[in-house]
Amino acid sequence: GEDVEQSLFLSVREGDSSVINCTYTDSSSTYLYWYKQEPGAGLQLLTYIFSNMDMKQDQRLTVLLNKKDTHLSLRIADTQTGDSAIYFCAEILPWDDYKLSFGAGTTVTVRA
Amino acid sequence: KAGVTQTPRYLIKTRGQQVTLSCSPISGHRSVSWYQQTPGQGLQFLFEYFSETQRNKGNFPGRFSGRQFSNSRSEMNVSTLELGDSALYLCASSSPGSPGYGYTFGSGTRLTVV
Repeated sequence: GEDVEQSLFLSVREGDSSVINCTYTDSSSTYLYWYKQEPGAGLQLLTYIFSNMDMKQDQRLTVLLNKKDTHLSLRIADTQTGDSAIYFCAEILPWDDYKLSFGAGTTVTVRA
Repeated sequence: KAGVTQTPRYLIKTRGQQVTLSCSPISGHRSVSWYQQTPGQGLQFLFEYFSETQRNKGNFPGRFSGRQFSNSRSEMNVSTLELGDSALYLCASSSPGSPGYGYTFGSGTRLTVV
């Protein structure tokens, strides 16, 4: 595909796990990122994964990478109301240095 | 450690005017990049600078320009403003020491063109 693709919306109950999925462009992309954007704010780098890794865990966050299918996912354990935000998947294509290519973002709503 | 600072936070301009936005990167970061965020187009890459040199440029018209100074601070300029230039403009900085070479973003400048 030509674009980074994400589902647009996710609703999750407080305390449950959230899984946000992303299909990125190219299996040779070296660095893949998850950013979080809260209303009125810039982007916050949540986590990243190198292409030679399958999984990365960082406290409540788990990133899974499937290079064969160019699929990336972000799991948030024990989702809290403060996790309500837009989550962006991004890659740096090997032929397009220094440029982040973003998906459209997934709006996560945490309900009580 | 101070983060990425963008000024001003909000701007209202009239069609046809020009505007200059400023970005101060994290101390020690020499790479600065700019993005435009709109509801319709999402996050679009404008350009990236390193040591005062533009290394990459997105698909924007020539009305959009940028520069970087020797202290790594960067400015972007938009001339002959159009209504469609209304957007959140985000600046990001990075260095080889950044986690995963990831970019740290500022809070953005909200530009409204009327």
